[in-house]
Amino acid sequence: DQQVKQNSPSLSVQEGRISILNCDYTNSMFDYFLWYKKYPAEGPTFLISISSIKDKNEDGRFTVFLNKSAKHLSLHIVPSQPGDSAVYFCAASDRTNAGKSTFGDGTTLTVKP
Amino acid sequence: DAGVIQSPRHEVTEMGQEVTLRCKPISGHNSLFWYRQTMMRGLELLIYFNNNVPIDDSGMPEDRFSAKMPNASFSTLKIQPSEPRDSAVYFCASTLRGNSNQPQHFGDGTRLSIL
Repeated sequence: DQQVKQNSPSLSVQEGRISILNCDYTNSMFDYFLWYKKYPAEGPTFLISISSIKDKNEDGRFTVFLNKSAKHLSLHIVPSQPGDSAVYFCAASDRTNAGKSTFGDGTTLTVKP
Repeated sequence: DAGVIQSPRHEVTEMGQEVTLRCKPISGHNSLFWYRQTMMRGLELLIYFNNNVPIDDSGMPEDRFSAKMPNASFSTLKIQPSEPRDSAVYFCASTLRGNSNQPQHFGDGTRLSIL
């Protein structure tokens, strides 16, 4: 039973356009959501997060949207840059398991120059 | 600022051998996680510790896997005996426990190949 799902294994966009990465979850206890970015031969690094009391969080070119009723979140990157090419993991956690996160399988984003 | 340090970065060994992976978390972090990444199963949590105590080891695939955290600055993940299906990238991560709002800090992983 996969509680966090990223249904698109890969996504390709043109430089300067918007990248939209999607994530769905099933556990209604999740109250915090995070996106991580991973380059080859490196560990994932934290990118942006959102609490369940919010529906949007923005940090520069990165914005995360949360739709609690649909149990869906998305990461928008505008404008996309070639350096954004990486694997993006969605993760979710709940306060009853403080510190523990459940990860999706990741989406490989390729930004073409 | 030293991040999470894992060693070795690469390990190639023959089936049946014992493998020990090492992790040094970020100083001051009191939660530590071991993950395994494979093409088939993505990034899966094996075990995590809070204040050096194992909290949830339900992700450990079988008894051949064991993990220890003898002190706040060191953890090991051991596989004995190793099998080819254990080949994967193993990540260690640490964070500050307290609430769910803390991102994890990952090491660069150990790429394990069992022949």
